[in-house]
Amino acid sequence: ETGVTQSPTHLIKTRGQQVTLRCSSQSGHNTVSWYQQALGQGPQFIFQYYREEENGRGNFPPRFSGLQFPNYSSELNVNALELDDSALYLCASSLALGYEQYFGPGTRLTVT
Amino acid sequence: AQSVTQPDIHITVSEGASLELRCNYSYGATPYLFWYVQSPGQGLQLLLKYFSGDTLVQGIKGFEAEFKRSQSSFNLRKPSVHWSDAAEYFCAPYTSGTYKYIFGTGTRLKVLA
Repeated sequence: ETGVTQSPTHLIKTRGQQVTLRCSSQSGHNTVSWYQQALGQGPQFIFQYYREEENGRGNFPPRFSGLQFPNYSSELNVNALELDDSALYLCASSLALGYEQYFGPGTRLTVT
Repeated sequence: AQSVTQPDIHITVSEGASLELRCNYSYGATPYLFWYVQSPGQGLQLLLKYFSGDTLVQGIKGFEAEFKRSQSSFNLRKPSVHWSDAAEYFCAPYTSGTYKYIFGTGTRLKVLA
């Protein structure tokens, strides 16, 4: 059974650019959540998708957006990148809403 | 507001010593409770979870945690720490209403040989 995978592993972008991060959920999982983990901090919830619909959102501006596809993989898009967006972005999938989440290894985004 | 506190930012123990990492939460109702471990540059690995029932739960790698409703705590313990346990540990309540984890700031564990 394949776990949660994320791509790319690392990414360097310039302030003002746009970025897309990708996540493949664990087999059989229909729920994906995204978290941002700044250096030295705990992960912060960005949003969650359940069966292709956004099901909850944390305290992040609209320039953070996402998608979930019919195969339940997901994308996180960030527009107009700011220096403070530099962080580890974690994707987590779960069997359904309310079930425990399994995390991918993350994408390290650096904004210069 | 929902919140979680991990009072100890850094803890250093000698290999073979016992360990207790503290976690306190503030929620309207008893949430599901999780402990995760994160090695440098890695994602999060689930150590153990509490949903209901027996308040002492066993996890992987010899870890256990005890839920105490009266103290709103879910402390993580291990009787004998191994050098490979050096990592960052996160307590994360999870509510069925919001379907999201609220992570604490983490406790960084250092193990002395």
